[in-house]
Amino acid sequence: QVQTVESGGGVVQPGTSLRLSCAASGFSFSRCSMHWVRQAPGKGLEWVAVTGRDGRTQYYADSVKGRFSISRDNSQNTMYLQMDSLRTEDTAMYFCARELLGSGYLDFWGQGTLVSVSS
Amino acid sequence: EIVLTQSPATLSLSPGERATLSCRASQSVDTSLAWYQQKPGQAPRLLIYDASTRATDIPARFSGSGSGTDFTLTITGLEPEDFAVYYCQQRRNWPPWTFGQGTEVEI
Repeated sequence: QVQTVESGGGVVQPGTSLRLSCAASGFSFSRCSMHWVRQAPGKGLEWVAVTGRDGRTQYYADSVKGRFSISRDNSQNTMYLQMDSLRTEDTAMYFCARELLGSGYLDFWGQGTLVSVSS
Repeated sequence: EIVLTQSPATLSLSPGERATLSCRASQSVDTSLAWYQQKPGQAPRLLIYDASTRATDIPARFSGSGSGTDFTLTITGLEPEDFAVYYCQQRRNWPPWTFGQGTEVEI
């Protein structure tokens, strides 16, 4: 059974850091590109970052470039999102999502972890 | 960056009716477009990819069409569980992967 479980969210102050994790099971994690997508309260979906299958390639949305860093550990079937210099506008539910066979489409999503940035 | 514009913002329908949702791209995405469904408090679910291919276990009442800049998601015979928010997403030019702002299908 395909499963991804996000963790690491919480309430933090602006300017601080947080590290999210996405633990995957039930599929060949190392064969899949993995994405982070976020959703601010009451808003739509915003793509955040992607890591290639071997972790050597990463791409970021302009809104997080230079502040967020995506990585993965295929030996642990886990993906990470290191979030630094957090801003109030980073407040959102953060979903990890599996990319369908290198297609660019996201065929499985976790339930998300909530990040709230507030002073 | 390719901008996706969905219309209408809200669609008010009754069970059994037909829903027609639109997604327009700011430039051609060929057929590199997907549709997702999201219910309150849940993660999005992939419905359609490559504009018209149903994802695994998606009922046949969901269909997608279009190419270039204009796309449609049709739900033929709305079931109670279909009332949700629907998003389109393009993968033609990346990064970034971009989503539309969503269409809510409400009772």
